[in-house]
Amino acid sequence: TQTVSQSDAHVTVFEGDSVELRCNYSYGGSIYLSWYIQHHGRGLQFLLKYYSGNPVVQGVNGFEAEFSKSDSSFHLRKASVHWSDSAVYFCAVSAPNYNVLYFGSGTKLTVEP
Amino acid sequence: EAAVTQSPRSKVAVTGGKVTLSCHQTNNHDYMYWYRQDTGHGLRLIHYSYVADSTEKGDIPDGYKASRPSQENFSLILELASLSQTAVYFCASSGTGGSQNTLYFGAGTRLSVL
Repeated sequence: TQTVSQSDAHVTVFEGDSVELRCNYSYGGSIYLSWYIQHHGRGLQFLLKYYSGNPVVQGVNGFEAEFSKSDSSFHLRKASVHWSDSAVYFCAVSAPNYNVLYFGSGTKLTVEP
Repeated sequence: EAAVTQSPRSKVAVTGGKVTLSCHQTNNHDYMYWYRQDTGHGLRLIHYSYVADSTEKGDIPDGYKASRPSQENFSLILELASLSQTAVYFCASSGTGGSQNTLYFGAGTRLSVL
């Protein structure tokens, strides 16, 4: 069985700061990992995903994520956040059925002016 | 642009009543999903489907039925609504090949069971 955990329920940073949102998974086989963003009152939107190859994947709006097999992690990063990045971010895994996603509990990012 | 449309956007239901949530996609996607989101929690998979006239159980199917009458439409049915089913429900779709497991979500349906 696969699981995904996001250890930080809330993260607060200032505009212009860098941020890292953490995601750890447990699964022994091949896995898809992805990140989604949910602005208040909206549906989730895809940011990026990883399956194989370069462990650093680029997404929309300057987001990137790095896969680490040794740490079982897929952390999301942004070098300089904007107030519009305030949202809830969800990490998701797909395995063994690659078409079914299982989501973490989410991390609420607040960007202060 | 690809779209997933849910209806209604919000609904108030009485305990024991029947509720039907509808979802329509114009993405030409094979896969469709119903997720439930509770305040402060992540999404939990209720049912999904990869072809018309067939549905599969997700992690929390009890108390819910699903129907996929066509590729474009996917409904979630609560035959006997209960207080514990108060939540926001999201429908999503995804394709195959290069777009495999990239989900496109609807705006959600806020269901309150009283």
